Amino acid sequence: DAGVTQSPTHLIKTRGQQVTLRCSPISGHKSVSWYQQVLGQGPQFIFQYYEKEERGRGNFPDRFSARQFPNYSSELNVNALLLGDSALYLCASRQDRNYGYTFGSGTRLTVV
Amino acid sequence: QQQVKQSPQSLIVQKGGISIINCAYENTAFDYFPWYQQFPGKGPALLIAIRPDVSEKKEGRFTISFNKSAKQFSLHIMDSQPGDSATYFCAASRLSRDDKIIFGKGTRLHILP
Repeated sequence: DAGVTQSPTHLIKTRGQQVTLRCSPISGHKSVSWYQQVLGQGPQFIFQYYEKEERGRGNFPDRFSARQFPNYSSELNVNALLLGDSALYLCASRQDRNYGYTFGSGTRLTVV
Repeated sequence: QQQVKQSPQSLIVQKGGISIINCAYENTAFDYFPWYQQFPGKGPALLIAIRPDVSEKKEGRFTISFNKSAKQFSLHIMDSQPGDSATYFCAASRLSRDDKIIFGKGTRLHILP
C-alpha cells in the first residue's frame, strides 16, 4: 500500500518565482494537510483540507495557497518566493478525525 | 506562542541505555499526544501516541508517560540502539476537533555504539 507521495522531491527556485508542490494521499484518506519544516525546527501547520474544503489555515502570508482535487490529491502554491521560504514542505493525510496523520517524505525547496 | 515545549534539544545515550525526552503543553483542550521520529531526508513517522485518559502507553521499547495534572508527557526508549538515532518530535492536537498538529522543536538523539 503506497504511502503519502509528494513531488518533486527537490526543487530550486529563484526569488520572486512561483512554485507548485503536489501531494497524493494514501488511498481512502480524505483529509490532507500541509506543513513547513525549516531546518532544525518542528513542522509548522500551513493548511488543512477535507473533502476539497479548506478546514484550517496557519499563520502564513497570502502568498501561500492550496487546493484539494476530487481524487483528494492536493497542491500547495507559493507565489513571490522569498529566501525564507526555503524549507522542507510536508504533506500529511489521514482517513478521518479518529486517526493520526501519515506524513510524506516532503519536497525540499531551496530559494536562491 | 509555543504551545508545546520539548527538552532536551539534543541527547547522547549509550547503547542499551534509556533515552528520555520530555514535553510540556499549555492548551488543556488537546486530546491527542503523538510522538514522531524523523530521519534525515524523510518526513516524520508516527512512533506512538496517547490520549489524556491514559497515564502510560507502551509499544515495544517505546513508552509514553502522561501526567495530565502537570500538563507534561515524556517518551522513554528502553534498550536504546544505534538505529534509534534520529530527531524526535512530541506533538499535540485536538483530534476530536480535527485540528492541526502542534509540534515541539525536536530532540536530536544520538545513540553511541
